[in-house]
Amino acid sequence: RKEVEQDPGPFNVPEGATVAFNCTYSNSASQSFFWYRQDCRKEPKLLMSVYSSGNEDGRFTAQLNRASQYISLLIRDSKLSDSATYLCVVLSGGSYIPTFGRGTSLIVHP
Amino acid sequence: SAVISQKPSRDICQRGTSLTIQCQVDSQVTMMFWYRQQPGQSLTLIATANQGSEATYESGFVIDKFPISRPNLTFSTLTVSNMSPEDSSIYLCSVVQFNSNQPQHFGDGTRLSIL
Repeated sequence: RKEVEQDPGPFNVPEGATVAFNCTYSNSASQSFFWYRQDCRKEPKLLMSVYSSGNEDGRFTAQLNRASQYISLLIRDSKLSDSATYLCVVLSGGSYIPTFGRGTSLIVHP
Repeated sequence: SAVISQKPSRDICQRGTSLTIQCQVDSQVTMMFWYRQQPGQSLTLIATANQGSEATYESGFVIDKFPISRPNLTFSTLTVSNMSPEDSSIYLCSVVQFNSNQPQHFGDGTRLSIL
Protein backbone atom coordinates (compact mmCIF):
# COMPACT_ATOMS: atom_id res chain seq x y z
CA ARG A 1 0.00 0.00 0.00
CA LYS A 2 1.34 3.41 -0.93
CA GLU A 3 1.95 5.86 1.89
CA VAL A 4 -0.21 8.55 0.34
CA GLU A 5 -2.94 7.65 -2.11
CA GLN A 6 -5.03 9.86 -4.33
CA ASP A 7 -7.49 9.21 -7.10
CA PRO A 8 -5.59 10.48 -10.16
CA GLY A 9 -8.82 11.50 -11.93
CA PRO A 10 -9.27 13.43 -14.05
CA PHE A 11 -12.25 15.09 -12.47
CA ASN A 12 -14.05 16.86 -15.28
CA VAL A 13 -16.55 19.43 -13.96
CA PRO A 14 -18.41 22.46 -15.31
CA GLU A 15 -17.77 25.96 -14.12
CA GLY A 16 -19.61 26.70 -10.90
CA ALA A 17 -19.63 23.10 -9.72
CA THR A 18 -18.50 21.91 -6.32
CA VAL A 19 -15.85 19.20 -6.37
CA ALA A 20 -14.12 17.28 -3.60
CA PHE A 21 -10.95 15.22 -3.48
CA ASN A 22 -9.83 12.79 -0.84
CA CYS A 23 -6.38 11.61 0.05
CA THR A 24 -5.58 8.70 2.36
CA TYR A 25 -2.35 8.21 4.26
CA SER A 26 -1.01 5.06 5.85
CA ASN A 27 1.41 6.39 8.47
CA SER A 28 -0.50 7.04 11.66
CA ALA A 29 2.46 9.09 12.93
CA SER A 30 1.84 11.71 10.25
CA GLN A 31 1.49 15.12 11.81
CA SER A 32 1.30 17.79 9.13
CA PHE A 33 -0.82 17.86 6.04
CA PHE A 34 -0.93 20.12 3.02
CA TRP A 35 -2.48 20.54 -0.38
CA TYR A 36 -0.24 21.72 -3.18
CA ARG A 37 -1.38 22.82 -6.60
CA GLN A 38 0.62 22.05 -9.73
CA ASP A 39 -0.23 23.65 -13.03
CA CYS A 40 0.76 21.92 -16.22
CA ARG A 41 4.54 21.99 -16.71
CA LYS A 42 5.00 24.13 -13.61
CA GLU A 43 6.39 23.51 -10.14
CA PRO A 44 4.10 22.58 -7.22
CA LYS A 45 2.98 25.47 -5.06
CA LEU A 46 1.40 25.42 -1.64
CA LEU A 47 -2.37 25.82 -1.82
CA MET A 48 -3.20 25.45 1.85
CA SER A 49 -2.28 23.70 5.05
CA VAL A 50 -4.71 21.27 6.63
CA TYR A 51 -5.36 21.77 10.32
CA SER A 52 -7.06 19.43 12.72
CA SER A 53 -9.91 21.90 13.04
CA GLY A 54 -10.24 22.27 9.29
CA ASN A 55 -9.16 25.19 7.18
CA GLU A 56 -11.10 27.43 4.84
CA ASP A 57 -9.66 29.91 2.36
CA GLY A 58 -12.26 31.48 0.12
CA ARG A 59 -13.73 28.78 -2.10
CA PHE A 60 -11.36 26.14 -0.76
CA THR A 61 -11.95 24.05 2.35
CA ALA A 62 -9.56 21.42 3.68
CA GLN A 63 -10.46 18.85 6.31
CA LEU A 64 -8.50 16.26 8.27
CA ASN A 65 -9.92 13.01 9.60
CA ARG A 66 -7.28 11.39 11.79
CA ALA A 67 -9.43 8.44 12.77
CA SER A 68 -9.87 7.37 9.18
CA GLN A 69 -6.51 8.76 8.08
CA TYR A 70 -7.60 10.93 5.24
CA ILE A 71 -7.66 14.56 4.24
CA SER A 72 -10.01 16.24 1.85
CA LEU A 73 -10.14 19.31 -0.34
CA LEU A 74 -13.43 20.90 -1.32
CA ILE A 75 -13.61 23.50 -4.08
CA ARG A 76 -16.83 25.48 -4.39
CA ASP A 77 -17.94 27.50 -7.41
CA SER A 78 -15.19 26.06 -9.62
CA LYS A 79 -13.42 28.41 -12.00
CA LEU A 80 -11.66 27.59 -15.25
CA SER A 81 -8.45 28.68 -13.55
CA ASP A 82 -8.84 25.93 -10.95
CA SER A 83 -7.84 23.40 -13.60
CA ALA A 84 -4.65 21.85 -12.28
CA THR A 85 -3.29 18.84 -10.45
CA TYR A 86 -3.78 18.87 -6.69
CA LEU A 87 -1.11 17.10 -4.67
CA CYS A 88 -1.70 15.74 -1.21
CA VAL A 89 1.38 16.17 1.00
CA VAL A 90 1.97 14.46 4.33
CA LEU A 91 4.76 15.11 6.79
CA SER A 92 5.66 12.87 9.73
CA GLY A 93 6.81 14.28 13.00
CA GLY A 94 10.50 15.13 13.13
CA SER A 95 10.97 14.79 9.39
CA TYR A 96 11.64 17.55 6.88
CA ILE A 97 10.95 15.27 3.94
CA PRO A 98 7.28 15.04 3.06
CA THR A 99 5.54 12.30 1.16
CA PHE A 100 3.71 13.40 -1.94
CA GLY A 101 0.64 11.83 -3.40
CA ARG A 102 0.45 11.22 -7.09
CA GLY A 103 -1.98 14.08 -7.50
CA THR A 104 -5.58 14.47 -8.62
CA SER A 105 -6.20 16.14 -11.95
CA LEU A 106 -9.06 18.63 -12.13
CA ILE A 107 -10.42 19.97 -15.40
CA VAL A 108 -13.01 22.72 -15.18
CA HIS A 109 -14.80 23.34 -18.46
CA PRO A 110 -17.10 26.16 -19.59
CA SER B 1 9.52 33.14 1.04
CA ALA B 2 12.75 32.22 -0.68
CA VAL B 3 13.18 32.81 -4.38
CA ILE B 4 14.63 29.73 -6.05
CA SER B 5 16.11 29.89 -9.52
CA GLN B 6 16.92 26.86 -11.61
CA LYS B 7 19.01 26.77 -14.74
CA PRO B 8 18.45 25.66 -17.40
CA SER B 9 14.67 25.77 -17.44
CA ARG B 10 14.60 23.17 -20.18
CA ASP B 11 16.97 21.24 -22.43
CA ILE B 12 17.01 18.59 -25.09
CA CYS B 13 20.01 16.32 -24.89
CA GLN B 14 21.52 13.41 -26.74
CA ARG B 15 21.70 10.05 -25.02
CA GLY B 16 25.01 9.32 -23.39
CA THR B 17 25.70 12.95 -22.52
CA SER B 18 25.51 14.62 -19.12
CA LEU B 19 23.77 17.80 -17.97
CA THR B 20 24.29 19.85 -14.85
CA ILE B 21 21.34 21.69 -13.36
CA GLN B 22 21.92 24.64 -11.07
CA CYS B 23 19.77 25.77 -8.16
CA GLN B 24 20.31 29.19 -6.60
CA VAL B 25 18.41 30.46 -3.56
CA ASP B 26 18.26 34.12 -2.61
CA SER B 27 18.67 33.40 1.10
CA GLN B 28 20.51 30.91 3.23
CA VAL B 29 18.55 27.73 3.77
CA THR B 30 19.51 24.70 5.79
CA MET B 31 18.01 21.98 3.70
CA MET B 32 18.00 21.57 -0.08
CA PHE B 33 16.59 18.66 -2.00
CA TRP B 34 16.45 17.37 -5.55
CA TYR B 35 13.30 15.72 -6.90
CA ARG B 36 12.35 14.07 -10.14
CA GLN B 37 8.86 14.06 -11.59
CA GLN B 38 8.33 11.76 -14.52
CA PRO B 39 5.35 12.29 -16.82
CA GLY B 40 2.08 11.58 -15.06
CA GLN B 41 3.83 10.68 -11.82
CA SER B 42 4.28 12.30 -8.46
CA LEU B 43 7.48 13.73 -7.14
CA THR B 44 10.26 11.31 -6.25
CA LEU B 45 13.03 12.43 -3.96
CA ILE B 46 16.46 11.83 -5.47
CA ALA B 47 18.62 13.09 -2.63
CA THR B 48 19.19 15.62 0.11
CA ALA B 49 21.98 18.02 -0.80
CA ASN B 50 24.26 18.45 2.21
CA GLN B 51 26.45 21.48 2.47
CA GLY B 52 30.13 20.60 2.33
CA SER B 53 29.61 16.83 2.30
CA GLU B 54 28.24 14.05 0.15
CA ALA B 55 24.54 14.09 -0.62
CA THR B 56 22.19 11.60 1.00
CA TYR B 57 20.61 9.50 -1.74
CA GLU B 58 17.26 7.77 -1.65
CA SER B 59 16.82 4.16 -2.61
CA GLY B 60 17.21 3.68 -6.34
CA PHE B 61 19.45 6.69 -6.87
CA VAL B 62 23.25 6.61 -6.84
CA ILE B 63 25.98 9.20 -6.83
CA ASP B 64 27.56 7.97 -10.06
CA LYS B 65 24.35 8.66 -11.96
CA PHE B 66 23.24 11.80 -10.10
CA PRO B 67 26.27 13.56 -8.60
CA ILE B 68 25.24 16.50 -6.43
CA SER B 69 27.25 19.39 -5.10
CA ARG B 70 26.38 21.96 -2.46
CA PRO B 71 29.33 24.22 -1.81
CA ASN B 72 27.39 26.71 0.33
CA LEU B 73 23.99 27.40 1.89
CA THR B 74 22.48 29.03 -1.19
CA PHE B 75 23.63 26.94 -4.15
CA SER B 76 23.47 23.34 -5.35
CA THR B 77 23.93 21.44 -8.58
CA LEU B 78 22.54 18.15 -9.82
CA THR B 79 24.20 16.35 -12.71
CA VAL B 80 22.30 13.77 -14.71
CA SER B 81 25.02 11.54 -16.12
CA ASN B 82 25.13 9.29 -19.16
CA MET B 83 21.55 10.17 -19.99
CA SER B 84 19.04 7.82 -21.57
CA PRO B 85 15.46 8.47 -22.70
CA GLU B 86 14.26 7.13 -19.32
CA ASP B 87 15.84 10.19 -17.70
CA SER B 88 13.41 12.47 -19.52
CA SER B 89 11.66 14.19 -16.66
CA ILE B 90 11.19 17.38 -14.73
CA TYR B 91 13.92 17.91 -12.14
CA LEU B 92 13.02 20.14 -9.23
CA CYS B 93 15.12 21.76 -6.56
CA SER B 94 13.38 22.44 -3.27
CA VAL B 95 14.30 24.03 0.04
CA VAL B 96 13.04 24.02 3.57
CA GLN B 97 12.87 27.37 5.30
CA PHE B 98 12.46 27.35 9.03
CA ASN B 99 9.53 29.34 10.32
CA SER B 100 7.85 28.87 6.97
CA ASN B 101 4.26 27.80 6.59
CA GLN B 102 5.09 25.17 4.01
CA PRO B 103 7.13 21.98 4.20
CA GLN B 104 8.92 22.49 0.90
CA HIS B 105 9.35 25.39 -1.46
CA PHE B 106 10.14 24.51 -5.06
CA GLY B 107 12.17 26.01 -7.83
CA ASP B 108 10.48 26.30 -11.20
CA GLY B 109 12.02 23.09 -12.46
CA THR B 110 14.15 21.89 -15.34
CA ARG B 111 12.37 20.06 -18.13
CA LEU B 112 14.74 17.55 -19.63
CA SER B 113 14.16 15.55 -22.80
CA ILE B 114 16.60 12.91 -23.98
CA LEU B 115 16.64 11.90 -27.62
